[in-house]
Amino acid sequence: AQSVTQLDSQVPVFEEAPVELRCNYSSSVSVYLFWYVQYPNQGLQLLLKYLSGSTLVKGINGFEAEFNKSQTSFHLRKPSVHISDTAEYFCAVRFTGGGNKLTFGTGTQLKVEL
Amino acid sequence: EPEVTQTPSHQVTQMGQEVILRCVPISNHLYFYWYRQILGQKVEFLVSFYNNEISEKSEIFDDQFSVERPDGSNFTLKIRSTKLEDSAMYFCASITDLGGVEQFFGPGTRLTVL
Repeated sequence: AQSVTQLDSQVPVFEEAPVELRCNYSSSVSVYLFWYVQYPNQGLQLLLKYLSGSTLVKGINGFEAEFNKSQTSFHLRKPSVHISDTAEYFCAVRFTGGGNKLTFGTGTQLKVEL
Repeated sequence: EPEVTQTPSHQVTQMGQEVILRCVPISNHLYFYWYRQILGQKVEFLVSFYNNEISEKSEIFDDQFSVERPDGSNFTLKIRSTKLEDSAMYFCASITDLGGVEQFFGPGTRLTVL
């Protein structure tokens, strides 16, 4: 079955520290991969996407993610976080042959502390 | 920059009442979606819509739900007889066409069923 897993429900981190939010998926077909951010009481904003090509993709707000096909992972990283990065982060996958819908992970709450 | 809009931002209704959630997708987009997010949970796919018919629907999208594109701009989600468990944030999204990948999300409508 096709699924998306975000193992960390919450990640606390101090400001200016690096962070990695993990995302794994289960699929036998090719995929498109996305990370969305949701600030409190707001909608979903696209951070970055992997469609093809270079496995390291850069997004907005200094975030980047690396697609690892053998590990079926798409972890999100930022070298130095800011208080304003406090939000919920969702990994989403579009499985080819599965229509155009996105399958979301359960989300990771990133809490940046001073 | 074009964006997906949704109205109302917050809807409160009594159990058993009908509600209609409205979305205006980006004007040249052809493929539309509804997702929902129950408080504290992940975003879940409800239905996709193309060429004036449903392309795909999830098991959540039962007979109580319907979608419609009543004119050239609006895309609506109707819940015929709301239940307490329908309380959630409902997101509309759109893509340009079948070849499009990135889904553009609206800000969401928070539905509260009392």
